[in-house]
Amino acid sequence: GENVEQHPSTLSVQEGDSAVIKCTYSDSASNYFPWYKQELGKRPQLIIDIRSNVGEKKDQRIAVTLNKTAKHFSLHITETQPEDSAVYFCAANPGYSSASKIIFGSGTRLSIRP
Amino acid sequence: ETGVTQTPRHLVMGMTNKKSLKCEQHLGHNAMYWYKQSAKKPLELMFVYNFKEQTENNSVPSRFSPECPNSSHLFLHLHTLQPEDSALYLCASSQEGLAEGTGELFFGEGSRLTVL
Repeated sequence: GENVEQHPSTLSVQEGDSAVIKCTYSDSASNYFPWYKQELGKRPQLIIDIRSNVGEKKDQRIAVTLNKTAKHFSLHITETQPEDSAVYFCAANPGYSSASKIIFGSGTRLSIRP
Repeated sequence: ETGVTQTPRHLVMGMTNKKSLKCEQHLGHNAMYWYKQSAKKPLELMFVYNFKEQTENNSVPSRFSPECPNSSHLFLHLHTLQPEDSALYLCASSQEGLAEGTGELFFGEGSRLTVL
C-alpha cells in the first residue's frame, strides 16, 4: 500500500525566513497530494493541495511543488509569521481509491522564532 | 463551527467498559472517516464509510467497532480497550464524486480517550 515519508519531524526558523517541508510517497499511481495544518489543540485543516497534472501551485505565501518522477513533493512557506507555528502533515492518496482515502505523513512541527 | 461535531470531547474508561464515540456532520457530505492521532502515529486512518458502506478497514482490532446508520452520523463503539488505545480520535467527512472527490477532509475537534 501507499507509504508517505515526511521530513524533518521538527523545524525551527526565524520569523521572516522561509520554511521547507519535504515528503516522499511510494505508490506511483497516487495523483492527489494535500497538505494539512494543525495548530495546537485544534483540528487539522487543509491549507493547499496539488494534483498530478501540475508541478507547482501557489497560494499567497504558501507553495507546493511536485516531482512525479522522483515521487516527492514539498511545502514552501515564505516570509514566515508567528501564526505559521503548527504541525504540518503531507498526504497522498493510494492509486486504487478515490481522492479522499488519503494516507498522512508523520508530521512536521514548525516553530517560528521571533 | 466546521460542521463536524464529536461527542464526548473527553472520555476516561476502564479496560472492561463499553463506550461509544459519536460524530455528526452537517455539511451534506457522503463519506465519513475515523482517524486515530497519537504521539507514535499521527493521523492514522481507521475506517472509511462511503455512501454508508464501509469501504476501508485499516487492520483495526475488533475491539473498535464502527457504525454508520446514515450519511450524517458515525459511531465508534469501544469495548475491552487497552491502555495503548489512549489517543485522540478524530472524525472527518468529505464529499465524494462518482469518479473523484475534491479530496478535502473536514475534521471534528476530536474525542480525547484515556484508557485506565
